[in-house]
Amino acid sequence: GAVVSQHPSWVICKSGTSVKIECRSLDFQATTMFWYRQFPKQSLMLMATSNEGSKATYEQGVEKDKFLINHASLTLSTLTVTSAHPEDSSFYICSGRLYNEQFFGPGTRLTVL
Amino acid sequence: RKEVEQDPGPFNVPEGATVAFNCTYSNSASQSFFWYRQDCRKEPKLLMSVYSSGNEDGRFTAQLNRASQYISLLIRDSKLSDSATYLCVVIGFNNAGNMLTFGGGTRLMVKP
Repeated sequence: GAVVSQHPSWVICKSGTSVKIECRSLDFQATTMFWYRQFPKQSLMLMATSNEGSKATYEQGVEKDKFLINHASLTLSTLTVTSAHPEDSSFYICSGRLYNEQFFGPGTRLTVL
Repeated sequence: RKEVEQDPGPFNVPEGATVAFNCTYSNSASQSFFWYRQDCRKEPKLLMSVYSSGNEDGRFTAQLNRASQYISLLIRDSKLSDSATYLCVVIGFNNAGNMLTFGGGTRLMVKP
């Protein structure tokens, strides 16, 4: 299957700082990438859909000014958590769509102190 | 009501047991269904698609009942390595195209 990478895999930061997470499709071009968030013992919740070259579409309840998404190329999408707070601590997973299948990155565990 | 609902478990079964999970979905227009497997602190990985006619892949059998809007996953001869969380996934649509909606997951623990 296709491979998606994320960087960093784990980040700890102080409250109020911004954190950028990169999602790359390594062996395919993903015109659409998805960003999910997963809290402990809960399922994945879609945050936003990112289309290359256009603005991301955010799900209800997700603040677009807090979670900045950039999808400047067919192989890279970034999620920036601005002014992170402890309640933003979560597991962030991206996925890239190839045909009708989604391939997930390994996830980024964010801990905000 | 959640769009996709699953019994969270955990299901604790001995090796060799047969175990079944059910998942219900609320949108009758949903067309595509999947089972994903997620290991602790890892990303979900596609286990199998679910077809109307039912499908089998080794020890795993998936069934779809459109009339009752539920999907099932049957695991035969459970292995220790089957211990994971199984996510029921339904494809829906938003303004950006199609999207996956995940159930809350069912946790399986296979014990020796």
